[in-house]
Amino acid sequence: QVQLQESGPGLVKPSETLSLTCTVSGGSVSRNYWSWIRQPAGKGLEWIGRIYSGGSTNYNPSLKSRVTMSVDTSKRQVSLKLESVTVADTAMYYCAREEYYGSGNLWSFDFWGQGTLVTVSS
Amino acid sequence: DIQMTQSPSSLSASVGDRVTITCRASQSISDYLNWYQQKPGKAPKLLISAASNLQSGVPSRFSGRGSGTDFTLTISSLQPEDFATYHCQQTYSTPWTFGQGTKVDFK
Repeated sequence: QVQLQESGPGLVKPSETLSLTCTVSGGSVSRNYWSWIRQPAGKGLEWIGRIYSGGSTNYNPSLKSRVTMSVDTSKRQVSLKLESVTVADTAMYYCAREEYYGSGNLWSFDFWGQGTLVTVSS
Repeated sequence: DIQMTQSPSSLSASVGDRVTITCRASQSISDYLNWYQQKPGKAPKLLISAASNLQSGVPSRFSGRGSGTDFTLTISSLQPEDFATYHCQQTYSTPWTFGQGTKVDFK
């Protein structure tokens, strides 16, 4: 059973960089897409972007200028950096594995981490 | 971006009720539509993929229908463990987008 665990600072100051890591256990990072998704308290889910194990990325245009994702297959880790954060970036951050169903654009998030709460405050 | 709109935003129901949640896409997304269940303090859980494909281990009282722009998630007989928030999500084109969620609570 694949398990994902997010980690990183729970408090980040405005204008600084948010850095999170997702560690994968029970499965390989290889040959999969890994997404980051966030959810402000009491609100809906927002897809931040994804990275393939080979390093190719897709970012949400709304965040693209501030987002960098990376993968370390040897450590089974996927990382997220979000620059120049503001209070609007306060949210629960999830990493998730994308499963592909082999037809068109049939993807889904089949495994999720428990999430890590990041608060942006001075 | 493709906008996903769920209705209602919340509903109150009783155990045993039949519940239907609607998700509408701002353009046709074929059947590239997933449904997730989220309980308080927990990560979302995949219920249905490709509009109608029930995931392994998900009770058969859950069903999904639709194609194009209009989709539904139905719970045929609501159980106590089904009180949660439900999210739809499209994967027709990036950025993947979600509906705002539908909270199902006790009447």
